[in-house]
Amino acid sequence: DSGVTQTPKHLITATGQRVTLRCSPRSGDLSVYWYQQSLDQGLQFLIQYYNGEERAKGNILERFSAQQFPDLHSELNLSSLELGDSALYFCASSVDAGGSYEQYFGPGTRLTVT
Amino acid sequence: GNSVTQMEGPVTLSEEAFLTINCTYTATGYPSLFWYVQYPGEGLQLLLKATKADDKGSNKGFEATYRKETTSFHLEKGSVQVSDSAVYFCALRTGGSYIPTFGRGTSLIVHP
Repeated sequence: DSGVTQTPKHLITATGQRVTLRCSPRSGDLSVYWYQQSLDQGLQFLIQYYNGEERAKGNILERFSAQQFPDLHSELNLSSLELGDSALYFCASSVDAGGSYEQYFGPGTRLTVT
Repeated sequence: GNSVTQMEGPVTLSEEAFLTINCTYTATGYPSLFWYVQYPGEGLQLLLKATKADDKGSNKGFEATYRKETTSFHLEKGSVQVSDSAVYFCALRTGGSYIPTFGRGTSLIVHP
């Protein structure tokens, strides 16, 4: 158990809909990362938050957005969903300080868009 | 920019065989290096790490040595088990970049 929790575990929705994925980091970790994993694209970094502030953006579509709340949990919002958005979405947390950059991953949310 | 190159999979081995999964990198700055493992249906787990040249990370019988001269961090295990079947990801992070860089992953299949 990594200490990172993600909900829901599975999500099935239709094209054009909007969903919210939730992540709670390990206790004490200020940094949260979101990733998308699909068979053809591998593991894609989407966005990072550190202590409530956006810190880095990767290959995140404009239809996607995220935020990190004062209690450090984070949400990833996916809107106007397309079939190609079907994938596993992982969040990870990290201390990100003092040279300690290893990440701890949650179990993921499997999104299926029909 | 930073990049990580891993050998293509799948790697198929018999139980008790020797494992090597190659990983090379390019980085601006001085990276920390990581191996993560993803078992079927699960998230990635940190397997081992090394933060400076010539450091050897080790865990669960797996080892990898940070080779700055060859910009490599190859994963090895002397005797694999069926339970080692998983996807292995090499990754790096530099202090000057907030974005971690992952390889595409190498699938390992171990047969009894």
